[in-house]
Amino acid sequence: EIVLTQSPGTLSLSPGGRATLSCRASQSVSSNFLVWYQQKPGQTPRLLIYGASTRATGIPDRFSGSGSGTDFTLTISRLEPEDFAVYYCQHYGTSPPYTFGQGTKLEIK
Amino acid sequence: QVHLVESGGGVVQPGRSLRLSCAASGFTFSNYRMHWVRQAPGKGLEWVAAIWYDASNKYYVDSVKGRFTISRDNSKNTLSLQMDSLRAEDTALYYCVRHREDYPYFYMDVWGKGTTVTVSS
Repeated sequence: EIVLTQSPGTLSLSPGGRATLSCRASQSVSSNFLVWYQQKPGQTPRLLIYGASTRATGIPDRFSGSGSGTDFTLTISRLEPEDFAVYYCQHYGTSPPYTFGQGTKLEIK
Repeated sequence: QVHLVESGGGVVQPGRSLRLSCAASGFTFSNYRMHWVRQAPGKGLEWVAAIWYDASNKYYVDSVKGRFTISRDNSKNTLSLQMDSLRAEDTALYYCVRHREDYPYFYMDVWGKGTTVTVSS
């Protein structure tokens, strides 16, 4: 089973800043199967990025994903107030389990 | 509009059973794999179970194998999760989630608002 480890656990930044969130897999995974979600307090998770780097419909271009093998990154280039949330990566391959990372909380500094 | 609406949550004693349902609308339900994903209070997301389009394949996270059963009724656009022998650690918000394939990519693209299950004596 693939284990995803996200870092940092909490990231404190100011609006306008740049956020870099990491997701590390316990073994090499296809970038086709690396997904990022955003969850705001009290809300349902929202699909952000799939295939490691493809933005979902309606996601602003300040969100970008990259990486391959075991190391993947979600970057938010110019933080808006609405971007402060918890971010989860997921390995969503051809067969289960479809594991999530433990999440990174992006909070306002 | 694509919608997933969960129901059936509640407070239940350890060892008892509960059945969750998810009503799907706005899309051809029978064309999609479906999942249940849960989130314990203050915790992260955990995939629980998946079912293929025609229910030919069903998968579970190890912690619920033998206790939970996922099913679907494509004629009623409904997904279900029968939860038996419930434990305190099953306490969570349970989401009904749609699978999406855009070859070669897979992802979860639509989430319901969830239904809360509390296992407590």
